Amino acid sequence: ETGVTQSPTHLIKTRGQQVTLRCSSQSGHNTVSWYQQALGQGPQFIFQYYREEENGRGNFPPRFSGLQFPNYSSELNVNALELDDSALYLCASSAWGTPETQYFGPGTRLLVL
Amino acid sequence: GIQVEQSPPDLILQEGANSTLRCNFSDSVNNLQWFHQNPWGQLINLFYIPSGTKQNGRLSATTVATERYSLLYISSSQTTDSGVYFCAVITGANNLFFGTGTRLTVIP
Repeated sequence: ETGVTQSPTHLIKTRGQQVTLRCSSQSGHNTVSWYQQALGQGPQFIFQYYREEENGRGNFPPRFSGLQFPNYSSELNVNALELDDSALYLCASSAWGTPETQYFGPGTRLLVL
Repeated sequence: GIQVEQSPPDLILQEGANSTLRCNFSDSVNNLQWFHQNPWGQLINLFYIPSGTKQNGRLSATTVATERYSLLYISSSQTTDSGVYFCAVITGANNLFFGTGTRLTVIP
């Protein structure tokens, strides 16, 4: 196990709803990155948080937003859910500036109906 | 933009066999990691290998940065090696760009 936890493990939502996913980082890590993995594909970078601010973003629309808290844990919020948002959402924690130390959580499986 | 391609896309092995997975990447990156994703979705770091060769038990990896490729070797494969293997490059923005993956199935 990596020490990175995510909740919930599974979630079912309907189109148009909003969802919040949570991630607790590994002890000693101050950076959290979020990835979306659609079925049969590799993970795609959504955004990264450091010092409670977004620090880099992939090709995702603004309805994907996030937060980082003083204890370095993080939330991913998705508004106006679409069917294509169905995926495994992974968070990874690392020490700032050392992406090679990213450790991944077990993921949250989101199904949008 | 960044390009990361892996081959083969699928691989089926008998338990005990050896295999080589390949990752080709574009010339705009030079830091590379290998991951194993188990059937439950957990991604595990295998190697951080920007260049040279590293070994960890039955696994080893070699990156030739000047020729823009990396190889992952699995020897004496076991059923627990099944899953998807990803290589990923570290971008200038300190995030990971993943390849297309190789799905490995090891049959008893």
